[in-house]
Amino acid sequence: EVQLVESGGVVVQTGGSLRLSCAASGFTFEDYPMHWVRQPPGKGLEYVSLITWDSRNTYYADSVKGRFTISRDNGKNSLYLQMDSLRSDDTGLYYCVKGYSGVDSGMDVWGHGTTVTVSS
Amino acid sequence: QSALTQPPSVSGSPGQSVTISCTGTSSDVGSYNRVSWYQQPPGTAPKLMIHEVSNRPSGVPDRFSGSKSGNTASLTISGLQAEDEADYYCSSYTTSGTHVFGTGTRVTVL
Repeated sequence: EVQLVESGGVVVQTGGSLRLSCAASGFTFEDYPMHWVRQPPGKGLEYVSLITWDSRNTYYADSVKGRFTISRDNGKNSLYLQMDSLRSDDTGLYYCVKGYSGVDSGMDVWGHGTTVTVSS
Repeated sequence: QSALTQPPSVSGSPGQSVTISCTGTSSDVGSYNRVSWYQQPPGTAPKLMIHEVSNRPSGVPDRFSGSKSGNTASLTISGLQAEDEADYYCSSYTTSGTHVFGTGTRVTVL
């Protein structure tokens, strides 16, 4: 079964840091681009970041650029999101998502998400 | 990277058809045939319904279809069923190398 399981979401203070992890299984992880997508409470989906299969290229939404860092370890079938200088508007459910094929394709496998709450 | 524009809600009776629009710009929807649609029932993770404008992944009913003209993409649900009630989001690849989601549309089956 293809599966993505996120972890690391907690309550953190404004200005703090956090590292999210995502464990992948059931597919050849190293063959696909991976994404992070978030959803604030009661609101819509917001794109966060993308990493190519080989980690050579990373892309970020303007709202997180310079504060968040995406990375992956293909040997461990794992995706990460380092989140620094956290703000209240970073609060939300963070999904780890598999790219369907190329970096420009849709996203076909979603985890259940991990909740990040940034509180002052 | 402004969100793509979708109507907040659409509704229809069982068996009817509904269409959801998704309007972007020449930097996203208008530049690529890389528009996807996602279904999100309450309390669940999104599910890919359409990719590359009009392609259905395996297992998605053919009642769901997609199209695009210029900067606007559309999702049509034909033969609406009660199980189709959910939030729907479009997304597009962008010229900056990221993706952008739409504002979301709540589909209600009357």
